[in-house]
Amino acid sequence: DTGVSQNPRHKITKRGQNVTFRCDPISEHNRLYWYRQTLGQGPEFLTYFQNEAQLEKSRLLSDRFSAERPKGSFSTLEIQRTEQGDSAMYLCASSSGLPGTGSNQPQHFGDGTRLSIL
Amino acid sequence: QQQVKQSPQSLIVQKGGIPIINCAYENTAFDYFPWYQQFPGKGPALLIAIRPDVSEKKEGRFTISFNKSAKQFSLHIMDSQPGDSATYFCAARHSWGKLQFGAGTQVVVTP
Repeated sequence: DTGVSQNPRHKITKRGQNVTFRCDPISEHNRLYWYRQTLGQGPEFLTYFQNEAQLEKSRLLSDRFSAERPKGSFSTLEIQRTEQGDSAMYLCASSSGLPGTGSNQPQHFGDGTRLSIL
Repeated sequence: QQQVKQSPQSLIVQKGGIPIINCAYENTAFDYFPWYQQFPGKGPALLIAIRPDVSEKKEGRFTISFNKSAKQFSLHIMDSQPGDSATYFCAARHSWGKLQFGAGTQVVVTP
């Protein structure tokens, strides 16, 4: 059973650098979500894709953040000009759901990418 | 604003005890309430979930109690084991899928 896969698992970078994370969802899942989790807190929603369309973005997602899901398969999350406050675990989740309706199945999470900004 | 409030922050029980974690929500439009278990360095893993038209759900040693009128729900871990030591998160789902998480409860089960 192939779950949600995220790469890299850890990323250490200097402030001001750009970073990109990749998420491979469960193969039959058409919905993909990005969350951010800081130490001692629950995950916070960042953005959501249904197939290749980005349908929702949180106010947490500043202009320095961009996410894509070309062809509705894997997704990438890029952070430009990283800041100390970007240090967190970035989690990807996927689920299946009928397009155009609210009906959807449980979300399954990957093990995340831990970003550390020096 | 904190849409899902979770308590306690942490709790310690002896093996065989029953940790109870409580959550309260505000938005009556939430349509699904999952619980996730998270170990250090891992992503959250779905444990059990309930819909608002059901008052209780059991899966193995895990039970959710749901009180729609009070907008509260809780997780009970029966016959807890040291391997259950983890952080537990309640969540509430918006109809289109976004999960709103509580702040988490760190559970320690001593041998």
